[in-house]
Amino acid sequence: RKEVEQDPGPFNVPEGATVAFNCTYSNSASQSFFWYRQDCRKEPKLLMSVYSSGNEDGRFTAQLNRASQYISLLIRDSKLSDSATYLCVAGLRGYSTLTFGKGTMLLVSP
Amino acid sequence: ETGVTQTPRHLVMGMTNKKSLKCEQHLGHNAMYWYKQSAKKPLELMFVYNFKEQTENNSVPSRFSPECPNSSHLFLHLHTLQPEDSALYLCASSQDLAGSYEQYFGPGTRLTVT
Repeated sequence: RKEVEQDPGPFNVPEGATVAFNCTYSNSASQSFFWYRQDCRKEPKLLMSVYSSGNEDGRFTAQLNRASQYISLLIRDSKLSDSATYLCVAGLRGYSTLTFGKGTMLLVSP
Repeated sequence: ETGVTQTPRHLVMGMTNKKSLKCEQHLGHNAMYWYKQSAKKPLELMFVYNFKEQTENNSVPSRFSPECPNSSHLFLHLHTLQPEDSALYLCASSQDLAGSYEQYFGPGTRLTVT
């Protein structure tokens, strides 16, 4: 039973494009959400937390839809350096476990 | 710079060897984790320590043995591994238990079992 599902991609986009990823989570009690970025053969790095009201950090915008149990990540004006795998993560407040999705691969081309 | 270091970065070992992976976090966090990442699979949580006490063992085979002497250091002792144990082993830390807090990962140890 998959708890956090993502489209594995790859999403192939040109530089400057806007791209959006969605992720669904199955545990309605999940209360904390994150997007991580993982480059090839490297460790995951926190990209941003996802708050109920949504949040924006430069070219990146994250949204949470609790009713439909999905989280989105929007990347505007894509750069070559944005090429990576983006991991969607859900957690239960007060519990040790974070549940990671398999990730969505993004390839930005010149 | 993540503040979480791991050694060695690469390890090749035979099935009869014994080796240890080391993790150190410089972030003042209370919780530390071991994860396994295999190709085309999501991150698999192995062990969780909070204030150096093990709080979770995610049905990990006994050939993997964790040790947490203090809240800054975490070890994973390996013995009689199988080829299917070849993977990237990631250590992470968080301020407290991660349901509330972000986790920060070390660079990982890429393990190959021959």
